[in-house]
Amino acid sequence: AQSVSQHNHHVILSEAASLELGCNYSYGGTVNLFWYVQYPGQHLQLLLKYFSGDPLVKGIKGFEAEFIKSKFSFNLRKPSVQWSDTAEYFCAVDGGSNYKLTFGKGTLLTVNP
Amino acid sequence: NAGVTQTPKFQVLKTGQSMTLQCAQDMNHNSMYWYRQDPGMGLRLIYYSASEGTTDKGEVPNGYNVSRLNKREFSLRLESAAPSQTSVYFCASSYSGGIETQYFGPGTRLLVL
Repeated sequence: AQSVSQHNHHVILSEAASLELGCNYSYGGTVNLFWYVQYPGQHLQLLLKYFSGDPLVKGIKGFEAEFIKSKFSFNLRKPSVQWSDTAEYFCAVDGGSNYKLTFGKGTLLTVNP
Repeated sequence: NAGVTQTPKFQVLKTGQSMTLQCAQDMNHNSMYWYRQDPGMGLRLIYYSASEGTTDKGEVPNGYNVSRLNKREFSLRLESAAPSQTSVYFCASSYSGGIETQYFGPGTRLLVL
């Protein structure tokens, strides 16, 4: 069965700091990878996704993620965070089932102004 | 477009009571999903419907039933609520499975006493 690990439960940064949130998955086959974000009081929405091609994926609001197959990782990055990036971030993997997304437990990001 | 809508927004039940959570989407999506979100657990898939007329179990289906009423609507029923079902329930939809983005509703907060 596929699983997803997000190593950081809560990350606290100051504005303009760089961000990297870790995500590792366990599945031996071809995967589709996602990062979703939940801003306070809002719906989950997609930040970015990877399914093939260039392993460096760019998403909305300046976020990017790099798929490293040898490390089973899909880390999320942003060079300079803003207060408005305060949210909970979820990594998710679809390991070939096509419909059964497995989510990580989430990382709460707090950005202090 | 309203996107994905859910009713009710909030519900309190007593142990043993039943209720149905409603979900509708107006994006002409084929696939629909029910998740629950618990603190520190991320999102876990309860049931999904790959297309109209089909439903399948997800990771945590026990204690729940679903109905794909038509292409737009996908309901989740708790026949005999238990305190362990206290959670936030999210409905989502996508055009199909795999790499397709899932669009989430605003959630239903359920408290079972």
